[in-house]
Order: sequence, then C-alpha cells, then structure tokens
Amino acid sequence: DIQMTQSPSSLSASVGDRVTITCRASQGISNSLAWYQQKPGKAPKLLLYAASRLESGVPSRFSGSGSGTDYTLTISSLQPEDFATYYCQQYYSTPPTFGQGTKVEIK
Amino acid sequence: QVQLVESGGGLVKPGGSLRLSCAASGFTFSDYYMSWIRQAPGKGLEWVSYISSSSSYTNYADSVKGRFTISRDNAKNSLYLQMNSLRAEDTAVYYCARARTYYDSSGYLMYYFDYWGQGTLVTVSS
Repeated sequence: DIQMTQSPSSLSASVGDRVTITCRASQGISNSLAWYQQKPGKAPKLLLYAASRLESGVPSRFSGSGSGTDYTLTISSLQPEDFATYYCQQYYSTPPTFGQGTKVEIK
Repeated sequence: QVQLVESGGGLVKPGGSLRLSCAASGFTFSDYYMSWIRQAPGKGLEWVSYISSSSSYTNYADSVKGRFTISRDNAKNSLYLQMNSLRAEDTAVYYCARARTYYDSSGYLMYYFDYWGQGTLVTVSS
C-alpha cells in the first residue's frame, strides 16, 4: 500500500494568514491526489482532485500543487470557516489511502 | 442535491454482526461506484470497500476481507455493508461515499470521493 504522510500534524494560524500543508507519498502517484476538509462531527468534503483541480463550489483561496511524491495544499488567506482538519488521499493505486490529517486551529 | 444517509450502526459485542445501509438520492445511483470509508474515534480515514455500479466488481481492505460484504440495490438506491465477526478495532464512524471514477491510459481504475454521508457509529465492545 502507498503510505501518505502529512505535515504538520497541526498548526495554529490567524485569520488572513497564508497556510500550507504538505503531503508526501511513499512512491510516485502521478498527481492522483485529492484533498478533503473535515469539520468536527461532519463528513469530509472534497476540495481538490488531480492535485490541483478545484472542486466546483470550493473557494479559490484553496489551491493545490506538486508532482511525483510531494504535494501541497495552500489556503491563501485563512477564513474563520477554514478551521478544520485536512486530509490528502492518493488514488493512484488500490487501496486508496489517506494521510493522517492536519488540524488547522485558531491562533 | 446529492444526499447520502447512513443507518444501522450501534453497539455490538465482539464476534457479532451488523448491517449498515446507505440511502442515496439526488443523483442516478446506478451510474456510480460506491464505497464505505471508516474513521475510528479521534483517528484518520480508512477506505473499507467499493462496489461497481452494476455490482460486478467489489474490493475490500485487507483488514476486513472475509468478514465484511458490500452490496447494493439499484432499484432501491441503496448501499449496504454486512459486517460479521466484528472486532474492537472495527469501532468507527462508517461513511458511505460516492466515487468519482476514471480509467488511466493503462485501463486501471482510479477513484476518489466527491460526496459523503454523515456517517453511522459502530461500537464493538463487550
């Protein structure tokens, strides 16, 4: 199975900050990467797929980049509703696997 | 709008069985692969199983293979997960999710999850 490692595991940031979360795969995944946002007690929500394609309805302050084994999720200007846990998921091979999550907290 | 509503969770003893259901609406259920994904308390996400749109193909995580069975009824717009021989480590919120699928240049199936239900909690404890 492909192992996905996110960093950091948590971070504290203020409204308006630029936030970057990194996801590293144990082998190359050819941009077959999705990002999800999960708020407490809620289901995950798809933000991006194919590493950089924004899901319909998702604000443009979210962006993704990367290639090979290393990928990033960037929130250009953190908003109050963005405080949540973020997960990456590779779908290059079965089983699909998720990172352990990055919790974005209010500073 | 797309809605997925899980039910059937609860408290069960180790070795017991449970059947989860997921009622789908707002889209043509029979056109989509579907999956179950779980999340242990305070933990991350773990894919459990998928089923193809016509039930021709299924796949399971090694951790549940031989114990769990995924199925669907397209006439009822419903997805199911039969869970047998339950263990404490199966304790989790179970989500059903719609899979967005495509095939790469080698014909290999790739999928991620564009809609999720709110989940149903399964607790395995004596």
